[in-house]
Amino acid sequence: NAGVTQTPKFRILKIGQSMTLQCTQDMNHNYMYWYRQDPGMGLKLIYYSVGAGITDKGEVPNGYNVSRSTTEDFPLRLELAAPSQTSVYFCASSLRDRNTEAFFGQGTRLTVV
Amino acid sequence: GESVGLHLPTLSVQEGDNSIINCAYSNSASDYFIWYKQESGKGPQFIIDIRSNMDKRQGQRVTVLLNKTVKHLSLQIAATQPGDSAVYFCAEKVGGGGNKLTFGTGTQLKVEL
Repeated sequence: NAGVTQTPKFRILKIGQSMTLQCTQDMNHNYMYWYRQDPGMGLKLIYYSVGAGITDKGEVPNGYNVSRSTTEDFPLRLELAAPSQTSVYFCASSLRDRNTEAFFGQGTRLTVV
Repeated sequence: GESVGLHLPTLSVQEGDNSIINCAYSNSASDYFIWYKQESGKGPQFIIDIRSNMDKRQGQRVTVLLNKTVKHLSLQIAATQPGDSAVYFCAEKVGGGGNKLTFGTGTQLKVEL
């Protein structure tokens, strides 16, 4: 099993550009999450999903959108990139019944210039 | 607002010694407390969790202690090894939908040979 796979690993965006961060998991997990991690800080929840077709906002959702059309995929969309969105983005998934153990991807390092 | 914080940003220990990483929390409604390990360039990895109605839980070379009176959580690593060098995050989960985790800022553990 590959676990949680994120693409791309690195990306540089210009202010105002848009992009989609891809996330897929092959563990048949119900729950999926997007976090951002700023330098020297913990992770902050952007959006989460408890199943296909269901998404909800986390702590810092502004400037982002998500969709969950399948159990496996949970892409994160940035519509108008801003320097404040420079961060490392982590996708994670977990089982509903094993809810403290989230499995994280390797991260996407995004720089907005 | 609610927060999860750490006492020390960096902890240096000698190989073979025991390590103790501390964490303070403020949300009394949390039903689980969790420790994650993040190695450089990787996503966080689950270590161990403890339910709020427990005081102590042991894993392989790790022990988590929970003191609800002073809202304090600690992670003890026995016989610390070079491979334990990483940033350690405490996190808390409040009951309810989504299994959302709130992460602290992290402690850097450095193991000296």
